[in-house]
Amino acid sequence: EVQLVESGGGLVQPGGSLRLSCATSGFILSNYWISWVRQAPGKGLEWVANINQDGTDKYYIDSVNGRFTVSKDNAKDSVHLQMNRLRAEDTAVYYCARGFGGADYWGQGTLVTVSS
Amino acid sequence: EIVLTQSPGTLSLSPGERATLSCRASQGVSKNYLAWYQQKPGQPPRFLIYGASTRATGIPDRFSGSGSGTDFTLTISRLEPEDFAVYYCQQYAGAPCTFGQGTKLEIK
Repeated sequence: EVQLVESGGGLVQPGGSLRLSCATSGFILSNYWISWVRQAPGKGLEWVANINQDGTDKYYIDSVNGRFTVSKDNAKDSVHLQMNRLRAEDTAVYYCARGFGGADYWGQGTLVTVSS
Repeated sequence: EIVLTQSPGTLSLSPGERATLSCRASQGVSKNYLAWYQQKPGQPPRFLIYGASTRATGIPDRFSGSGSGTDFTLTISRLEPEDFAVYYCQQYAGAPCTFGQGTKLEIK
């Protein structure tokens, strides 16, 4: 059974950092792109970043470029999103999902709250 | 960046009726790399359609996708009570892989 499980969310002050993790199972991670998508409270979906099969190709939405870094450890079946210089507008549920787009499996999400 | 505009914002229908949801792109979506998702409160999105018209595994055949270029449609032929949710389109022809703002399908 394919599973993706996010962790690492929480409350952080503006300007702070968090590292989200996405633990995967049930498929060969090295064969897939992984995306991060977020959803602010009561709002729609926003694609944030994605990373290719071997971790060498990465894309980011402009608003996080230079602050967020996506990485992948295929040996440990995990994907990470390092988030630095966090802002209030980064408050959201963060999902990891399998695929560049057209993501077929999603985790349940982890909530990140940026507030003083 | 490709901007996706979904319409209507809210669609009020009754079970058994047909639903037609629209997704319009600001420029052509290469290879029709357009997906549809369904999301219910407190849940992650559910993958419905990819390549504009191919149903994902396990999706009932009352869901169908169509369109090409800049205009895409999700049709639910006969609404079931569990179909009332928010629907999003997403283009994945290239980064950023943008989403539409969503259409809320509510019970009339």
